[in-house]
Amino acid sequence: DSGVTQTPKHLITATGQRVTLRCSPRSGDLSVYWYQQSLDQGLQFLIQYYNGEERAKGNILERFSAQQFPDLHSELNLSSLELGDSALYFCASSLGPGNEQFFGPGTRLTVL
Amino acid sequence: GIQVEQSPPDLILQEGANSTLRCNFSDSVNNLQWFHQNPWGQLINLFYIPSGTKQNGRLSATTVATERYSLLYISSSQTTDSGVYFCAVDHNNAGNMLTFGGGTRLMVKP
Repeated sequence: DSGVTQTPKHLITATGQRVTLRCSPRSGDLSVYWYQQSLDQGLQFLIQYYNGEERAKGNILERFSAQQFPDLHSELNLSSLELGDSALYFCASSLGPGNEQFFGPGTRLTVL
Repeated sequence: GIQVEQSPPDLILQEGANSTLRCNFSDSVNNLQWFHQNPWGQLINLFYIPSGTKQNGRLSATTVATERYSLLYISSSQTTDSGVYFCAVDHNNAGNMLTFGGGTRLMVKP
């Protein structure tokens, strides 16, 4: 157990819908990262927050957004879902940028 | 951006055998991590190793940053070692993201 929690574990929804994925970092970690794992793209970095502020963006679609709250938990919002958004979404956390990242169990999203 | 290549892509071992997994990267990195993704999809931290050699039980890793590669050694493999092994690098000085290799899929047969 890495200490990073993610909910829900599984999510099945339809095209065009909006979903929210939640992540709680390890105790004491200030940085939260979101990654997407799909069969065709592999594991890709989406976005990073540090102590409530966005610090870096990767290949994150405009339909996707995220935020980190004052209690340091983070949410990833995916809207206007398409079939191709089906993937495993991981949250990771670290003490700060550049420190070892620890991954949560992931949320498996299926868009039908 | 930085390229991270892992070899071999697939590996089948008999229980008890040893193996070496390789990770090459195309630019200098600040940090490097090895992960094991188990059959349930969990990403388990194995090593945080920007340089040098570390050992943890039957696993060890070596990163030669100046030559841009890292090696993961698995000795006396067990069926529970099966899964996908990923190398990931942080090459951004701000330490904001990991770039993953394509992984090595390992199957250990009893």
